[in-house]
Amino acid sequence: NAGVTQTPKFQVLKTGQSMTLQCAQDMNHEYMSWYRQDPGMGLRLIHYSVGAGITDQGEVPNGYNVSRSTTEDFPLRLLSAAPSQTSVYFCASAGQKNQPQHFGDGTRLSIL
Amino acid sequence: SQQGEEDPQALSIQEGENATMNCSYKTSINNLQWYRQNSGRGLVHLILIRSNEREKHSGRLRVTLDTSKKSSSLLITASRAADTASYFCAHGGNDMRFGAGTRLTVKP
Repeated sequence: NAGVTQTPKFQVLKTGQSMTLQCAQDMNHEYMSWYRQDPGMGLRLIHYSVGAGITDQGEVPNGYNVSRSTTEDFPLRLLSAAPSQTSVYFCASAGQKNQPQHFGDGTRLSIL
Repeated sequence: SQQGEEDPQALSIQEGENATMNCSYKTSINNLQWYRQNSGRGLVHLILIRSNEREKHSGRLRVTLDTSKKSSSLLITASRAADTASYFCAHGGNDMRFGAGTRLTVKP
């Protein structure tokens, strides 16, 4: 059972480039979310989804887009990468809101 | 801004000692959850306590919740070197929020 799978594990981008961070879960979870983790800041919620076709903004959504066309996948798009987006990005899923979340192992993103 | 705040920020103890971490929050909650993160890995769920519960146990973990003070504590008894990790509390509905965490170091 794979759980939550994030790809890639590492990525280096140049300022202005765009890219998509992939997240897939095989637990048929309705709730999925994206966080970024910066030193000393804990996890900050970027976007979340309570089901296919439904997404909403979290605490720090600017510069990021998401879509949820299937239950399994929840990609995060960086439209025009900026050095301030250098961070570790985590995807998580849960059966429903308020339930324990399962996390992927993260994508370490550096923007030069 | 973070809606859950843990303290202390860092805690260093000897193997066999107990470790206590605290969490405060600002809004009403349905439940409060504790997670653990090993270096370089994703978070792992440890325990969930509902708003109508005051105490919950899971193995060497004991969690308390005081909704009147909007606070929770996580106690790890008889700590082991393998407990070295960061610990986070989290709560929320659709948009779950995490605190900055407590970094626990257990020295062998």
